[in-house]
Formats: sequence, structure tokens, C-alpha cells
Amino acid sequence: QVQLVQSGAEVKKPGSSVKVSCKASGGTFSSYAISWVRQAPGQGLEWMGGIIPIFGTANYAQKFQGRVTITADESTSTAYMELSSLRSEDTAVYYCARAMITFGGVIVIYNWFDPWGQGTLVTVSS
Amino acid sequence: QSALTQPASVSGSPGQSITISCTGTSSDVGGYNYVSWYQQHPGKAPKLMIYDVSNRPSGVSNRFSGSKSGNTASLTISGLQAEDEADYYCSSYTSSSTLLVFGGGTKLTVL
Repeated sequence: QVQLVQSGAEVKKPGSSVKVSCKASGGTFSSYAISWVRQAPGQGLEWMGGIIPIFGTANYAQKFQGRVTITADESTSTAYMELSSLRSEDTAVYYCARAMITFGGVIVIYNWFDPWGQGTLVTVSS
Repeated sequence: QSALTQPASVSGSPGQSITISCTGTSSDVGGYNYVSWYQQHPGKAPKLMIYDVSNRPSGVSNRFSGSKSGNTASLTISGLQAEDEADYYCSSYTSSSTLLVFGGGTKLTVL
């Protein structure tokens, strides 16, 4: 049974960066993908991107291209999401989730997510 | 504005059935069978309820079912129970550069 445990809440200044971790236990870390999804207060879910640890390749939603970096460390079964140039609109709960992926030719299709981490609240405030 | 359109709220009485719709385009819902549904209780992480349009993960009640017609996917909950009161989100792969989109969410109230 895969379990994902995320790092604790963060308070950041506008313009700074935040790095959230997601440690997996159970299962074989390199055999699945990890995605990051965020949820602003009172708002819906928003997919940010994902990574396939065994390949080390990450895919990002266009909205976050250039501002987010997703990495994975197989030796510690931990995935990371770093978001830079923070602004107040980035205040949200950030979730990691194991992702089921499919390959459509050369395209990686992030399909569904299960299980999810407990979430990490990132507050951006001056 | 979310890429997939869901009703903001639905309600039903215990024992009744409700359906939540999720409308997209031929670039997402209509073009692929990669639609999934998530249940989220307040302050909790989302939970997968349906994947690949109509498949239920192990442990999810068979009161939950999914379907799709054209560009609209649907989640049906039969025999409503108080514990079903939550927010529900659909998601789909999209051929756009966004890669994956969620609906705006639907708040289910059990009367």
C-alpha cells in the first residue's frame, strides 16, 4: 500500500521560492509516476505537472512552465516540487499524488491519481 | 474558469440517486477515455472514486458509477448516504498544452 507523506506548511515572501517534498513508502517508487496538484483556498484542483522517477523526466502544465521544477530522488523515494517567483496567488494547498500514466506514442498521459499526500499549505505573504 | 464544466452544487435526500455532469470538448472528455472522478471532504485530500470513465478502484462502494456520452462524463451516486456529502471533481487528459484538466467541482449536499 503506497503512502505519501508531505513536508510541513511554509510561509514565503513574494518573489521567493518554495520546495515541497513528498516521501513515498510501500510499493516501488521508481515503478510509478508522481504528480503535483494545487488547490487555492475555497477553489478547485489544478494540475501542475508530474515526473516519472525511473526516467527522470518531468512534464508541466503550460501555465507553470518556467516557474516550477519537479524532481525525484529514487534513493530516498522522495519527490520534490519547487515553485519560484512566488506571488500571493500561489497561496494554496499543494498535493502530491501517485499518478497512473499511459503512453500515447511519445506523449506521456497523466491519467488518474491515487493515493494522495496529506497536502502542504504554502502561504505567500509580505 | 475551469476547462471542464461541472454544476456548482447538487443535492438529494438519503436513499435517492444523483448525477453530476462534467462537460468538456473533443480535445479532452470527448476524445479520450481518461476521465476520473474524485471525492473531497472538507480539509481532506481528494480520493479517487472512478477512473477511465467507469472503473471503480478497489474499496470504493458500488453505489458510485461513471459513464460518458460525447463530450460529457457523468458520475452517479445511488442510495445516497450522509457520508457522501462532499465536493466532487472530474478530470480528463487533454491534448492541449495543459495536459490534464479538472472540473470546477460540485458540492453535493445530502438533505
